[in-house]
Amino acid sequence: KQEVTQIPAALSVPEGENLVLNCSFTDSAIYNLQWFRQDPGKGLTSLLLIQSSQREQTSGRLNASLDKSSGRSTLYIAASQPGDSATYLCAANMDSNYQLIWGAGTKLIIKP
Amino acid sequence: DTGVSQDPRHKITKRGQNVTFRCDPISEHNRLYWYRQTLGQGPEFLTYFQNEAQLEKSRLLSDRFSAERPKGSFSTLEIQRTEQGDSAMYLCASSLVGGDTEAFFGQGTRLTVV
Repeated sequence: KQEVTQIPAALSVPEGENLVLNCSFTDSAIYNLQWFRQDPGKGLTSLLLIQSSQREQTSGRLNASLDKSSGRSTLYIAASQPGDSATYLCAANMDSNYQLIWGAGTKLIIKP
Repeated sequence: DTGVSQDPRHKITKRGQNVTFRCDPISEHNRLYWYRQTLGQGPEFLTYFQNEAQLEKSRLLSDRFSAERPKGSFSTLEIQRTEQGDSAMYLCASSLVGGDTEAFFGQGTRLTVV
């Protein structure tokens, strides 16, 4: 059974720092992995989708990597800003039916 | 706005009442998913549709829950005889067919059962 873990549960860093959020999964037979952002009391915004055949994806200041053999994905945020404060969730897609298995998220606070 | 929309955004109901939520997916998306999220946790899969067919239901979806997508467009999720444990954020997502496509989520419906 696939389990997705995100550590730490919360992270607070000063504005301007580069940071890395971690996501680990137990079953490497994933279809793809997706990173989402969630603001308090709101829905989910898709940030990056990495297919199983890819190693990384980039969008603006965000870069997501995928290492299936080690069961890890990372989300790198460059030059963090207070507006980046949110909860970041990763989700593994195990089959073409898109039933995502989710981590519990990392709550990120960027201090001005 | 051509994203996924959910209505209502918030619902407060008394225990034992029935509630119904609506989801309008992105128009060309033939897959629609319902998830439930409690505070501090990731979403949990409830059910999904491909066009009008409900293809899978989670064991989390008790007999009090029913979902429909009658014309393959919008979907409704009904909870009968609500319980306090049903309090959660109910999220809808849509995508095209195929595991390599991206799922897009709505803003969710926050249900509070008092």
